[in-house]
Amino acid sequence: ETGVTQTPRHLVMGMTNKKSLKCEQHLGHNAMYWYKQSAKKPLELMFVYNFKEQTENNSVPSRFSPECPNSSHLFLHLHTLQPEDSALYLCASSQGASGNAKNIQYFGAGTRLSVL
Amino acid sequence: KNQVEQSPQSLIILEGKNCTLQCNYTVSPFSNLRWYKQDTGRGPVSLTIMTFSENTKSNGRYTATLDADTKQSSLHITASQLSDSASYICVVSGAGSYQLTFGKGTKLSVIP
Repeated sequence: ETGVTQTPRHLVMGMTNKKSLKCEQHLGHNAMYWYKQSAKKPLELMFVYNFKEQTENNSVPSRFSPECPNSSHLFLHLHTLQPEDSALYLCASSQGASGNAKNIQYFGAGTRLSVL
Repeated sequence: KNQVEQSPQSLIILEGKNCTLQCNYTVSPFSNLRWYKQDTGRGPVSLTIMTFSENTKSNGRYTATLDADTKQSSLHITASQLSDSASYICVVSGAGSYQLTFGKGTKLSVIP
């Protein structure tokens, strides 16, 4: 186990549904991330939180709404999604938010999302 | 534009054989390069991380090399095992940035 837990592991939802993805880290890290992984494409950074504050929103559509109540928990609220949003959503955490070599990102197992 | 290109896209090798995966990048200024292993249905797991001054780093049967002048890296896997079947992702971090640039990965299949 990596110390980063994501739930649910699989999710099927209709375009009019509202659902939430949850991520919890037990590593004492200060930074948390949401990534989208689509087939045959590189991981795409969605959001970055550092000490509960959002520091990056990578032009993500408003139908994705992140929430970080504390440094250990991260949510991704979903509503009125499109079929092209179907992907693996990965959560990660690191000690700090900078890209220096000390900040290795630890990933959860991901949530496989299918939008019908 | 920062980019990371990996080759080959996929690779099939026999158990016990060696293989080398390639990574070329255009990220500048450079801070560090990471190799991750991602098993099917799991998140990526860090294998190695190298800074500008390091040109080789090992983690068991995995050995990564870095040539910062030519902006190339390789991941060599020795005496492959069935459990090495996974996608291997090259990730580059730019200096002064917290954004990582990911490659598309190389899908390795080790067959008996």
